[in-house]
Amino acid sequence: AQSVAQPEDQVNVAEGNPLTVKCTYSVSGNPYLFWYVQYPNRGLQFLLKYITGDNLVKGSYGFEAEFNKSQTSFHLKKPSALVSDSALYFCAVRDIGWGSGGSYIPTFGRGTSLIVHP
Amino acid sequence: EAGVVQSPRYKIIEKKQPVAFWCNPISGHNTLYWYLQNLGQGPELLIRYENEEAVDDSQLPKDRFSAERLKGVDSTLKIQPAELGDSAVYLCASSPGSGHEQFFGPGTRLTVL
Repeated sequence: AQSVAQPEDQVNVAEGNPLTVKCTYSVSGNPYLFWYVQYPNRGLQFLLKYITGDNLVKGSYGFEAEFNKSQTSFHLKKPSALVSDSALYFCAVRDIGWGSGGSYIPTFGRGTSLIVHP
Repeated sequence: EAGVVQSPRYKIIEKKQPVAFWCNPISGHNTLYWYLQNLGQGPELLIRYENEEAVDDSQLPKDRFSAERLKGVDSTLKIQPAELGDSAVYLCASSPGSGHEQFFGPGTRLTVL
C-alpha cells in the first residue's frame, strides 16, 4: 500500500528566509509525486510534480522540490518566503502502476500549515 | 479557461435528509474525482471516473452514497440519508488523465445538524 507522511503539522518561517516543507512517501513501484497548496475556503491548487527525469523540479510561485529516491523524500522548498505563501500544503503520491501492483488512487498527506511571519 | 465548478458552495441540512452535490470539470478532462476532506486532514478519495465509467470506488460508502457521471462530463454525488459524521468538505477534481495533476473545485462545505 502506498502512503505519504508530512511529519510537521506546522512550519514557521520569517519572510525572506528559505523554507522547507517535508514529505516522505512509500510506494510499491515508482512514484508520481505532487505538491498542492490550499488557501482558506479554496480548493487545492497544483504547484509541481515529479514523474521522471531531473530530480529537482521547479513549479509555480517560485517553489521547487527535490526527489530523493534513496531517502524516499520529496521536500518542497523556496529560497525566499513571502507572507502570501502562508497556506496549507499537501504532498501526494501515486504509483506509476503498469503491472507494479500499485494503485492509481492518489494518496494525500495530512497537510502542513506554513506560516510566514512579516 | 474555466476551472472546475462545484455547487452549492455551502449546504446545511438536518440528519436523515438527502443532499446532492454537482461538479462540472474542466472541458476535455476525462478523469473526474470526488474527495472528502475533514478539517485538518488531506483529501480522501471517494470515487474516480474515467469518462462515464466509475473506477476506484472502494472508499465510497455505498449504503448511503451514490455518484453518477452519465455523459462523461458533469457529475453528481448524493448522500441519502445524511448522518452527522458526513459533515465535511466535498471536493471535486478533474485531470486530463489519471497520471496527471488534478485541478480542484472550491468544494462544498456540508454541515449536518
